Amino acid sequence: DTGVSQNPRHKITKRGQNVTFRCDPISEHNRLYWYRQTLGQGPEFLTYFQNEAQLEKSRLLSDRFSAERPKGSFSTLEIQRTEQGDSAMYLCASSLVWNEQFFGPGTRLTVL
Amino acid sequence: AQTVTQSQPEMSVQEAETVTLSCTYDTSESNYYLFWYKQPPSRQMILVIRQEAYKQQNATENRFSVNFQKAAKSFSLKISDSQLGDTAMYFCAFMKHETGNQFYFGTGTSLTVIP
Repeated sequence: DTGVSQNPRHKITKRGQNVTFRCDPISEHNRLYWYRQTLGQGPEFLTYFQNEAQLEKSRLLSDRFSAERPKGSFSTLEIQRTEQGDSAMYLCASSLVWNEQFFGPGTRLTVL
Repeated sequence: AQTVTQSQPEMSVQEAETVTLSCTYDTSESNYYLFWYKQPPSRQMILVIRQEAYKQQNATENRFSVNFQKAAKSFSLKISDSQLGDTAMYFCAFMKHETGNQFYFGTGTSLTVIP
């Protein structure tokens, strides 16, 4: 399967713990996006990379959130000191052209 | 700021019938893209159809077509000959032209196709 992959698919953690998610984009795609989707809502933009450069961050991305894309390939999203409000589906998408994004299956985070 | 509104949280349709999902948006941009994405249960989102705002002709993709009314800021999705596999969450989304950095999504419409 050459689509966008995300790991883990599910993560359960206790409040206050740190978690890290990984996204592997489609291999030739230079753009990578992170979104957060809470129950009953559409995805909300978190951040965007073009190659290894993080070009935009949403105000939703608080100081506890950090994203990286070393070498412009895979990306990681880390949440420090998790809170119950962080429980959501975290979606990754990648694209080659600016007007089309391919989404991964998401990582579902549950904070107890 | 861009906002996308989907006023139908849930809809159902009989298999082989036609259904229309509504979407309205608010923007001050003159050039943009609109999208419909489908998210099947426990599966990833996939693009259904895309419309460029500067094109007057409505986009079509097989059984899927849109009714794009730019002045009314309306972008509805029509699904013809509904199939069981069309059961999914459908999201309307907006993207500013040539920025390519983020979608603005609506809250979604859950569509159930009834056998």
